[in-house]
Amino acid sequence: QKEVEQDPGPLSVPEGAIVSLNCTYSNSAFQYFMWYRQYSRKGPELLMYTYSSGNKEDGRFTAQVDKSSKYISLFIRDSQPSDSATYLCAMSADDYKLSFGAGTTVTVRA
Amino acid sequence: NAGVTQTPKFQVLKTGQSMTLQCAQDMNHEYMSWYRQDPGMGLRLIHYSVGAGITDQGEVPNGYNVSRSTTEDFPLRLLSAAPSQTSVYFCAATGEGYGYTFGSGTRLTVV
Repeated sequence: QKEVEQDPGPLSVPEGAIVSLNCTYSNSAFQYFMWYRQYSRKGPELLMYTYSSGNKEDGRFTAQVDKSSKYISLFIRDSQPSDSATYLCAMSADDYKLSFGAGTTVTVRA
Repeated sequence: NAGVTQTPKFQVLKTGQSMTLQCAQDMNHEYMSWYRQDPGMGLRLIHYSVGAGITDQGEVPNGYNVSRSTTEDFPLRLLSAAPSQTSVYFCAATGEGYGYTFGSGTRLTVV
């Protein structure tokens, strides 16, 4: 069993919809949680960085961490075609050795 | 401010050849890592460094070697290339609390 499991997708949504992305994990030592966005043939770009449990909001993006359930989520409100990308969850116990999910590809249809 | 710079962007190697993937960062971050990305498998950690002179193995270290003589540079060496090492390689750097900044990647094909 992988240490980090991510909903595989792909997801296709109409413009303006809410996108919901999820990951579960098995290592209870994880305390740093991140979401990255990766456009085709580009490097991952950090979207959200969260320490421990709770919610964090940045513009149209909201990250949620539930350590008791070992579950993290990313919500994208008012999705735009420019949000079409692969989204990767990542987590770490020590802030420098990251474990990644396999990624979810999202397409936002205009 | 370039962040993390990787060279080359593309490389084709023959089985058994060796090469070095270069990585440089200009953010003065302590931590640097190398990941490989394969379809359906996400990113897997090859080697990482917590500072100059300190390196350690990640999840998939076999066939790769690293060194870190300066804060800025973290080269990855392929000792004897194999077709299983065909992948996209990413170098990344972070300071505590920042989250990793990734380079643009090196696409390696081993034939």
